[in-house]
Amino acid sequence: QSALTQPASVSGSPGQSITISCTGTSSDVGGYNYVSWYQQHPGKAPKLMIYDVSNRPSGVSNRFSGSKSGNTASLTISGLQTEDEADYYCSSYTSSSTLVFGGGTKLTVL
Amino acid sequence: EVQLVQSGAEVKEPGESLKISCKGSGYIFTSYWIGWVRQMPGKGLEWMGIIYPGDSDTRYSPSFQGQVTISADKSISTAYLRWRGLKASDTAMYYCVRQRLGIAAAGANDYWGQGTLVTVSS
Repeated sequence: QSALTQPASVSGSPGQSITISCTGTSSDVGGYNYVSWYQQHPGKAPKLMIYDVSNRPSGVSNRFSGSKSGNTASLTISGLQTEDEADYYCSSYTSSSTLVFGGGTKLTVL
Repeated sequence: EVQLVQSGAEVKEPGESLKISCKGSGYIFTSYWIGWVRQMPGKGLEWMGIIYPGDSDTRYSPSFQGQVTISADKSISTAYLRWRGLKASDTAMYYCVRQRLGIAAAGANDYWGQGTLVTVSS
């Protein structure tokens, strides 16, 4: 099972919006609504930000939103803040009954 | 409050065995899948496998099948990850994760342990 494809890095200025893509296949992202997004700050454990494509866990800012079209899922962060600077990972359930992560995207807030 | 508390950092030599643990609290341990995720130094997340403590149903990523063993002791709300012959390439941070309700591997990982750093070096 190959890792999902994410851009290595994205950047934005405070207040702007950015979108991180996560591309898979019809056997994972495209086949199921089980895409999640995680935020990881350096030296910390990842934190769940979005589950089941577009749902936010309690306590996660509504500046974070998720969507999916075909085999590509997306995480959008609006009103960028300096504390959003982190690594972001997507994950998806697969047709092999396993979970696969994306390679990760480093978000820099300029 | 849901918590997953992992055992401490380990330094081992190649060929040695190791078992790390993850103790769950604040929820019904037998009702949620517990998974393990590897993060090698400076690298991304890799899903290793998952266990349902209620009946010990266990699934593995093909990449880790036969390399590690996942188990759980529901009497003490603890999940384990075991190696029988460590390699230098096993050096990584290992996280245990609780999966939201759903079929194995399909639910999001809503709670994460603090991580256990395993270093394998001669």
